[in-house]
Amino acid sequence: KNQVEQSPQSLIILEGKNCTLQCNYTVSPFSNLRWYKQDTGRGPVSLTIMTFSENTKSNGRYTATLDADTKQSSLHITASQLSDSASYICVVSATGTYKYIFGTGTRLKVLA
Amino acid sequence: NAGVTQTPKFQVLKTGQSMTLQCAQDMNHEYMSWYRQDPGMGLRLIHYSVGAGITDQGEVPNGYNVSRSTTEDFPLRLLSAAPSQTSVYFCASSSGQSRAFFGQGTRLTVV
Repeated sequence: KNQVEQSPQSLIILEGKNCTLQCNYTVSPFSNLRWYKQDTGRGPVSLTIMTFSENTKSNGRYTATLDADTKQSSLHITASQLSDSASYICVVSATGTYKYIFGTGTRLKVLA
Repeated sequence: NAGVTQTPKFQVLKTGQSMTLQCAQDMNHEYMSWYRQDPGMGLRLIHYSVGAGITDQGEVPNGYNVSRSTTEDFPLRLLSAAPSQTSVYFCASSSGQSRAFFGQGTRLTVV
């Protein structure tokens, strides 16, 4: 069964600190993996998209990594800001399909 | 360029009532989809469309209908609302395998 699991479920860090969020998936055949940021009460917004051949991609202070062999991805946030407080969702799609498998997200709270 | 626009933002229905959630995009994307988001669960696909006149069922299609008469619009119809359909609904659009753009969501409560 195609699944996407994220950890931790929630995380609290102090402003300025770094953090790493994890995503494991069993989707096959793999097409691409996306990380989205979802602010409370808003729709998800894309941060990164990675295909099978890419193992790292950055978007400002966000850096995503992908290990297609172990089927793991991580999202590293550097020098966190209060505005980083949100849910971060890992999404994986399989080749030949428009369907995306969503993880349940990691809820990040950044404290001043 | 407004992106993906969903209306209404909030709605309260009585059990058995019907309604249509509207979704429009102005990016000429061929792919549009509807998701529901429930606490503790990932977004689940209700219905999707790969182009005007083409729709297909997602993971949780029961109780919902869709149509795609134009590239821009993809309305979601609840035929007879049930409390189990209380959720936040998101519409998304994309082109090919590029990033998907999501609407702001519709928070639906069925009493």
